[in-house]
Amino acid sequence: EAGVTQFPSHSVIEKGQTVTLRCDPISGHDNLYWYRRVMGKEIKFLLHFVKESKQDESGMPNNRFLAERTGGTYSTLKVQPAELEDSGVYFCASSPQGAEQYFGPGTRLTVT
Amino acid sequence: AQSVTQLGSHVSVSEGALVLLRCNYSSSVPPYLFWYVQYPNQGLQLLLKYTTGATLVKGINGFEAEFKKSETSFHLTKPSAHMSDAAEYFCAVYSGGYQKVTFGIGTKLQVIP
Repeated sequence: EAGVTQFPSHSVIEKGQTVTLRCDPISGHDNLYWYRRVMGKEIKFLLHFVKESKQDESGMPNNRFLAERTGGTYSTLKVQPAELEDSGVYFCASSPQGAEQYFGPGTRLTVT
Repeated sequence: AQSVTQLGSHVSVSEGALVLLRCNYSSSVPPYLFWYVQYPNQGLQLLLKYTTGATLVKGINGFEAEFKKSETSFHLTKPSAHMSDAAEYFCAVYSGGYQKVTFGIGTKLQVIP
């Protein structure tokens, strides 16, 4: 069974540009989560989808971040326009029911 | 609210020595507790978890952790460190009411030959 995959693994963009991160969860997992780790800080929750619906987006930093999960399968996280403080590692996780979450390898985003 | 405190952002042990990584949590409801490990250039991997039942849980690679409710702790141990254990370890708590995992800041484990 394939695990959670994320694309790209690394992204380097300039301030003001747009970046879209993608996450493919484990097949059949209704719950999909996005987390972010800024350098030196803890991994923080961004948002939670149940199928295609946003269950909780309380961790989204601001309105420059937009997450979608069309059809309840893969998810995208768009940052537009990117700022320097958006740099970090973005993790996606999926779960059949919430407690045990399976994490992807992460996307390292660098904004210069 | 729920939170996790990991004592020591960096821990060094000699190869063959005991590994002890400390974690304390707070949660207003009975928590599920996890330890994740991240090896260099890899994603987060579940090391072990406590949900209910036996308070001493065993995970992969010889690691184990004990849930102590009275101390709100979930420390991770391994009797004998191996060079391959060098990684970053994250303690995490999940409680159903919040539907999300809250992580500690992480502890980087260095194993000295």
